[in-house]
Amino acid sequence: QSALTQPASVSGSPGQSITISCSGTSSDIGGSNYVSWYQQYPGKAPKLMIYDVSYRPSGVSDRFSASKSGNTASLTISALQAEDEADYYCSSYRSISTLVLFGGGTKLTVL
Amino acid sequence: QVELVESGGGAVQTGTSLRLSCAASGFTFRSYQMHWVRQAPGKGLEWLAVIWYDGSNSHYGDSVKGRFTISRDNSRNTLYLQMNNLRGEDTAVYYCARGPLRWYFDLWGRGTLVTVSS
Repeated sequence: QSALTQPASVSGSPGQSITISCSGTSSDIGGSNYVSWYQQYPGKAPKLMIYDVSYRPSGVSDRFSASKSGNTASLTISALQAEDEADYYCSSYRSISTLVLFGGGTKLTVL
Repeated sequence: QVELVESGGGAVQTGTSLRLSCAASGFTFRSYQMHWVRQAPGKGLEWLAVIWYDGSNSHYGDSVKGRFTISRDNSRNTLYLQMNNLRGEDTAVYYCARGPLRWYFDLWGRGTLVTVSS
């Protein structure tokens, strides 16, 4: 099964906003409200940042927001901070075959 | 404290078997779906398997279907992954993750490394 498609890298300066896209198909992102996003620092476990397309778990900064349009989901980080530098993964429930897909990951660099 | 702790990883040879464990604490284990997710060195995340809260159902990713088996013991608050006929491409850090009754993962363990070589 193919992974969801994310850009390999994005970058931004402190204070700026960036958006990471995550493209799928009608069998996953387009047909599911179960889209989630994870932040991962090197050598650490992933951390849930967004669930059900656009909901933030308790404790996650409101600088993180997300949405979905058609077969593409997006994560936006506003007011970038140095601590946001990490890898970000999208994930979606899939109605066929493998039930959960991850994106290939996006490395965020804060310049 | 709420946590998941994986164990059982190590270095094994191609074609052999290994069983991973994931000990849960600090929450009502039997109320949650549980998943296994892996990450090959320098690569992205790959979902492997899910088991229903009561163990009544399970599903697998295409890459491990027929070789890996997920199970749980709710009396011991422990999740398992039996891995058979291991291949080099199974080399990865294996994470257990908690899934509320929706398809996302809100709690992750630290992972256990499995290295498969010939």
